[in-house]
Amino acid sequence: QITLKESGPTLVKPTQTLTLTCTFSGFSLSTSGERVGWIRQPPGKALEWLAVIYWDDDKRYSPSLKSRLTITKDTSKNQVVLTMTDMDPVDTATYYCAHRPTVKGFDYWGQGTLVTVSS
Amino acid sequence: DIVMTQSPDSLAVSLGERATINCKSSQSVLYNSNNKNNLAWYQQKPGQPPKLLIYWASTRESGVPDRFSGSGSGTDFTLTISSLQAEDVAVYYCQQYYSTPYTFGQGTKLEIK
Repeated sequence: QITLKESGPTLVKPTQTLTLTCTFSGFSLSTSGERVGWIRQPPGKALEWLAVIYWDDDKRYSPSLKSRLTITKDTSKNQVVLTMTDMDPVDTATYYCAHRPTVKGFDYWGQGTLVTVSS
Repeated sequence: DIVMTQSPDSLAVSLGERATINCKSSQSVLYNSNNKNNLAWYQQKPGQPPKLLIYWASTRESGVPDRFSGSGSGTDFTLTISSLQAEDVAVYYCQQYYSTPYTFGQGTKLEIK
């Protein structure tokens, strides 16, 4: 059974860097076809895709946020880390990590972590 | 970027009636190599993460009730709930996974009339 869980700070100050960790089980990110992505959702708003990392360490980012995002994986720990620099109050959102196999969209999601950006 | 546009933004349907949500992509999400549309539908209830309902535009995810169905190809897609149940009240999103960025629609809020 696949599970994912996000962890990280719930409150960050403007201009700080956010680091979120997705810890997963039930699959290996070294297996061909596996991917883990990050998606966020501001309160009361729509889903916004942020980034994805592939089994072969290929990485893709949202063009509008590319300069601020870095996604990495630690296969031995079953973790994916997302960093977002220069945080702003508009980045306040629930951040989700999710599993994406080859043929589907995101089939398993973490419960999400609410990150508030405020001084 | 592929822009995903859903209609309507909100919808109220009586219990037992049909609900239809539309999704249009700004370019085709059909992979010619396997003739599959890389289009997914999700259901999100308050306080919960999205749940995958449909992938490849029309394939139900395991465990999803058969009252949920997806159709369409190329740029125009539809999610249909054949007989609305109370537990179907949620926001529904379409998403293309044809190319990054994997864009979502703006969501459709489904309520009971």
